[in-house]
Amino acid sequence: SQKIEQNSEALNIQEGKTATLTCNYTNYSPAYLQWYRQDPGRGPVFLLLIRENEKEKRKERLKVTFDTTLKQSLFHITASQPADSATYLCALVAGGSYIPTFGRGTSLIVHP
Amino acid sequence: DGGITQSPKYLFRKEGQNVTLSCEQNLNHDAMYWYRQDPGQGLRLIYYSQIVNDFQKGDIAEGYSVSREKKESFPLTVTSAQKNPTAFYLCASSIVPGPSGNTIYFGEGSWLTVV
Repeated sequence: SQKIEQNSEALNIQEGKTATLTCNYTNYSPAYLQWYRQDPGRGPVFLLLIRENEKEKRKERLKVTFDTTLKQSLFHITASQPADSATYLCALVAGGSYIPTFGRGTSLIVHP
Repeated sequence: DGGITQSPKYLFRKEGQNVTLSCEQNLNHDAMYWYRQDPGQGLRLIYYSQIVNDFQKGDIAEGYSVSREKKESFPLTVTSAQKNPTAFYLCASSIVPGPSGNTIYFGEGSWLTVV
């Protein structure tokens, strides 16, 4: 069956360090992958999209990589700040579809 | 400001009652969606609609119903047939998706609790 796996344990890091979150998937042929940020009690907010033929995407302090051989995406936040504390969701869109399927998300806590 | 408005933010349902969650968007988006989120869980798709007067079941449509009479509105009814409705409900929208991708814009969510 299709699965999207994100680390269920919270990631705790010190301010200024780089946070790296992982999204693994099985039995998918994704056309593209997205990352969203969700704050407690609020709706997710889109951050970045990376297509299957792209290796890396950057936006300010954010970087996403996509390895279709490993079936994995890594999401990096450099120079992390306490304001980056949130849950980060990855979402896959299979080829031929347009509906994202979401992972459970990983909570990031940045300590001052 | 453009966006997606969900109401009410908090809703309590008695056993056997139907309740309707409102979702309105002024982004001129064609596609609209309803997701359910349980604590520590990912978002699960309930229903989606690509155009007015048409909608499709998602992964967990049983016990729910929707309508799409207007482009900007996509209300969700949680019926008494939904046995475990307590959850956080998210409405979302997007432009007609194309090869460049489908970015989903979410509302602020509605909390539904069975009492």
